[in-house]
Order: sequence, then structure tokens, then C-alpha cells
Amino acid sequence: GNSVTQMEGPVTLSEEAFLTINCTYTATGYPSLFWYVQYPGEGLQLLLKATKADDKGSNKGFEATYRKETTSFHLEKGSVQVSDSAVYFCALIQGAQKLVFGQGTRLTINP
Amino acid sequence: GAGVSQSPSNKVTEKGKDVELRCDPISGHTALYWYRQRLGQGLEFLIYFQGNSAPDKSGLPSDRFSAERTGESVSTLTIQRTQQEDSAVYLCASSLNGPQPGLGELFFGEGSRLTVL
Repeated sequence: GNSVTQMEGPVTLSEEAFLTINCTYTATGYPSLFWYVQYPGEGLQLLLKATKADDKGSNKGFEATYRKETTSFHLEKGSVQVSDSAVYFCALIQGAQKLVFGQGTRLTINP
Repeated sequence: GAGVSQSPSNKVTEKGKDVELRCDPISGHTALYWYRQRLGQGLEFLIYFQGNSAPDKSGLPSDRFSAERTGESVSTLTIQRTQQEDSAVYLCASSLNGPQPGLGELFFGEGSRLTVL
């Protein structure tokens, strides 16, 4: 079945560092891909998405490119802030099926 | 309401007791989902409602788990004879029209943390 594998956390960086959180997926066909974020004390919320190969999703300085050849959707940000500290979830959906999530990566940014 | 509301936010119970977890989705959202997140693990799908029917309940881990939805609004997840392995955060989400390619924006509640002693 469909599955998502994320980089294991936790990840700790200093403010203004470059961030990459790896995400790879297994699916037949062409799923849509998502990054969700959970800030402390809040519910999960959609961060960005890409619906076809080579699409780039972006929001709040974060970017992720749908790479079909490597079945990846890595999350990147050029300069992280303390306010980016959260748990990040990669996810996919295919057809009319349910959203399938990775295990989440906890990110902590130190000032 | 403005967002997805879940209650209780925290529940501690003894092994063998029944628990009910409640979800109030965003008004007008026809689709409602339950997920479970055990400590250190990803989100595990439990069940999906479209309106009041459940086209996909494949994630319910055993017959001790059941869920219902009434009036295309509130949903209740019931766990009977709780076990320690049921300890997790139970997340509810809603979406306007259900899972569709290119969409998939689910709006999540903050979850109900269940601890079974």
C-alpha cells in the first residue's frame, strides 16, 4: 500500500540555519503530496502541497518539490526562525483514498 | 464553529473501562476523519465519514473500537474495555468534501490525549 517515510528526528538547529527534512514515499501512480505542521499547543495545519511531478509547493519561506524520479518531497527553508519550531508531517493522497502520513519530525530552533 | 473542537482534551482511565471521545467538525464540512498518534509514531488512520456514513473504517484496530456520526456534525469515537496499548492522542479532522486528488486539506482539532493505566 501507500506509505510515507520521513527523516527521523528530533532536529535541532540554530536560528538562520538552512533546513532540510527528508520525505520519500511509496505509491503506485501519481499521488498528491503535502507537508502539514503542528505548532506547540495547536492542531495540525496544511503548510504546502504539490499535486503533480516537478510542482513546487511553497509557504512561509518553506519549499518542497515533487520529484517523481526519486519519489521524494523534501522540505527546505533557507533561514529558519525560532517560530518554526514544530512537528512536521509529510503526507500523500492518491485517488479518493485517505491521507497517509509519515511519522513526523520534531524541529527545534534555538536563538 | 471556527475550528474543529475535540473533547476531552485529556482523559485518564483504568484498563477495562470504556471511553468516549467527541469531535465537533467545522460547520458545513461533510467529511470527518479520526486518526491516532501513539507516542513517537506517525498518524494512524482509523475511520472516515462522508456525511453520516463511514465508507472507510479499515483502520479501526479491533472490534473494541467504534465510531458514529449524527446529523452530519458531531462524531463520537468509543473504545470499549480499554487496554494500555490504546494510550495515544486521538485526532479528529474535517474537510469540505472528502478526500480528492489535489485537495486533501484537512482541518485538525488539537486532539484528545488518552492514557490507560
